[in-house]
Amino acid sequence: AQRVTQPEKLLSVFKGAPVELKCNYSYSGSPELFWYVQYSRQRLQLLLRHISRESIKGFTADLNKGETSFHLKKPFAQEEDSAMYYCALSNSNSGYALNFGKGTSLLVTP
Amino acid sequence: SAVISQKPSRDICQRGTSLTIQCQVDSQVTMMFWYRQQPGQSLTLIATANQGSEATYESGFVIDKFPISRPNLTFSTLTVSNMSPEDSSIYLCSARVASGGRGIQYFGAGTRLSVL
Repeated sequence: AQRVTQPEKLLSVFKGAPVELKCNYSYSGSPELFWYVQYSRQRLQLLLRHISRESIKGFTADLNKGETSFHLKKPFAQEEDSAMYYCALSNSNSGYALNFGKGTSLLVTP
Repeated sequence: SAVISQKPSRDICQRGTSLTIQCQVDSQVTMMFWYRQQPGQSLTLIATANQGSEATYESGFVIDKFPISRPNLTFSTLTVSNMSPEDSSIYLCSARVASGGRGIQYFGAGTRLSVL
């Protein structure tokens, strides 16, 4: 069975501070990992996926297969980063449907 | 990328009635999905709706309650049948678009359903 765990329901940081949103997964094969973000009153949108290894809006995420983690990081948080962040896993065995974690609400305060 | 249009955006319905949610994609896609997001919760997959085959439902969701249509490569509907207050949720559709040898799911804005 596959599972995505986001241990923090709420994460509050000050503007300019580093932020790390944790995501751990359990899956025996080769999953695709994603971070989706939902800003207030907006639709869910893709932030990052592990295969692209890029930085979006200053965020990066590295897939660590040994630790089965895909943590989302940003060195200097901005107020506009305040949103709900979901880690998700997809694989061919599940027909490429997304299995979401419970989400972490990030609040960046001035 | 893909633009997903979903309607209605919200509705308030009476117990025992049915509501059909429409999802339109601006490009042809094979894979579409329907998710439910209950208040304060994460997204849960209802079913996968691939064009040319019957929808595949996740455990806890049945076709009689959530019939799905997928008539072509750009459109799908989800019906919530015989509604009860427990069906009050946000319903989202998504489409998987090929990108870089893999795929990305794009989401509609969701349908916020309240059942009285």
